[in-house]
Amino acid sequence: GDSVTQMEGPVTLSEEAFLTINCTYTATGYPSLFWYVQYPGEGLQLLLKATKADDKGSNKGFEATYRKETTSFHLEKGSVQVSDSAVYFCALARNFNKFYFGSGTKLNVKP
Amino acid sequence: NAGVTQTPKFQVLKTGQSMTLQCAQDMNHNSMYWYRQDPGMGLRLIYYSASEGTTDKGEVPNGYNVSRLNKREFSLRLESAAPSQTSVYFCASSGTGTAVQTSTNEKLFFGSGTQLSVL
Repeated sequence: GDSVTQMEGPVTLSEEAFLTINCTYTATGYPSLFWYVQYPGEGLQLLLKATKADDKGSNKGFEATYRKETTSFHLEKGSVQVSDSAVYFCALARNFNKFYFGSGTKLNVKP
Repeated sequence: NAGVTQTPKFQVLKTGQSMTLQCAQDMNHNSMYWYRQDPGMGLRLIYYSASEGTTDKGEVPNGYNVSRLNKREFSLRLESAAPSQTSVYFCASSGTGTAVQTSTNEKLFFGSGTQLSVL
């Protein structure tokens, strides 16, 4: 069945460091891929998405490229800030009613 | 701009008690969902409703029932709570258009969650 696997956390970085959070997926067909972010005490919010192979989603300095050949959608940011501290979820949707989420990666950014 | 509203925010139950989690959205969305979030397991889909009047099971439906009362409201009921149902529950919604409008349908809007403890 469809599934998403992402790197375990927590990930602890200093401010302005480079961030990579790995995500790989298993799915038939051509799913859409997403990164959602959850700030403390809140629900998840869409961070970025890509709907087909080689698409790059980007938002707030974060980027992820849909790599069909490696079934990956790794999240990157060149320079993290303390305000980026949150839990990040990779997800896929093969049809619009079925979203599958990874287990989440907690990011801690220290000043 | 209320978005997705869930109540209550916190609840403590004893084993065997029942309760209903309420969810309402004001974005005219067709689809609504209930997820549970457990440490190390991410979000798992309990039930979803693709449109008013329809409901379907997700990954972990056992022990739960749902009602899509109207287009705005989607409730989750625990008939006989068990400690294994201790979790954070999120309601979500998506989709203002038809199934072919996938770019709209594919963005989930989440409520702020309900922390449920079953003792």
